[in-house]
Amino acid sequence: SQKIEQNSEALNIQEGKTATLTCNYTNYSPAYLQWYRQDPGRGPVFLLLIRENEKEKRKERLKVTFDTTLKQSLFHITASQPADSATYLCALPFSGGYNKLIFGAGTRLAVHP
Amino acid sequence: NAGVTQTPKFRVLKTGQSMTLLCAQDMNHEYMYWYRQDPGMGLRLIHYSVGEGTTAKGEVPDGYNVSRLKKQNFLLGLESAAPSQTSVYFCASSYSVTEKLFFGSGTQLSVL
Repeated sequence: SQKIEQNSEALNIQEGKTATLTCNYTNYSPAYLQWYRQDPGRGPVFLLLIRENEKEKRKERLKVTFDTTLKQSLFHITASQPADSATYLCALPFSGGYNKLIFGAGTRLAVHP
Repeated sequence: NAGVTQTPKFRVLKTGQSMTLLCAQDMNHEYMYWYRQDPGMGLRLIHYSVGEGTTAKGEVPDGYNVSRLKKQNFLLGLESAAPSQTSVYFCASSYSVTEKLFFGSGTQLSVL
């Protein structure tokens, strides 16, 4: 069955450093992958979508890569700030369309001043 | 612009009771979804709808029913609540098949 793995351990980094989060998937060849941010007590908020024919996508301080051979996506936040502290979720569509997304459990990022 | 609105925000039920969660979106989206989120397990799709009058099962549909009588509303029902249904429930909507999901703020449900 389709499976998504994100590092369950929290990532602690110093302000100003680059945070790198990993999303691995198995038994699957998704056409695209999405990243969301979730703050405590809130719903996820969409950040970026990357398609299988795109190796890299950027938005301000965010960068996402998509390696379909390794079945892995990396999510980078450069010049991290304490306000970036949150849980980050990756999501891929179920087979069969209709934008039914399967989500990873998320990785919590803590940026320390 | 309200986006996706869920009611109620919190609810406590006793085992065997029933309730309905309401989701409303004002973005004219065709697709709507109900997810549940449990610690360490991520979001799991319960049911979804691809348009008014349609519903379909997701990953974990047992114990839940849904209805989409109006395009802007998607209702999630629990007919006989069980402690295993204690969770945070999120509704989401999207404009098309590969577009981003817009989520509501969630409903914290406890079944005692």
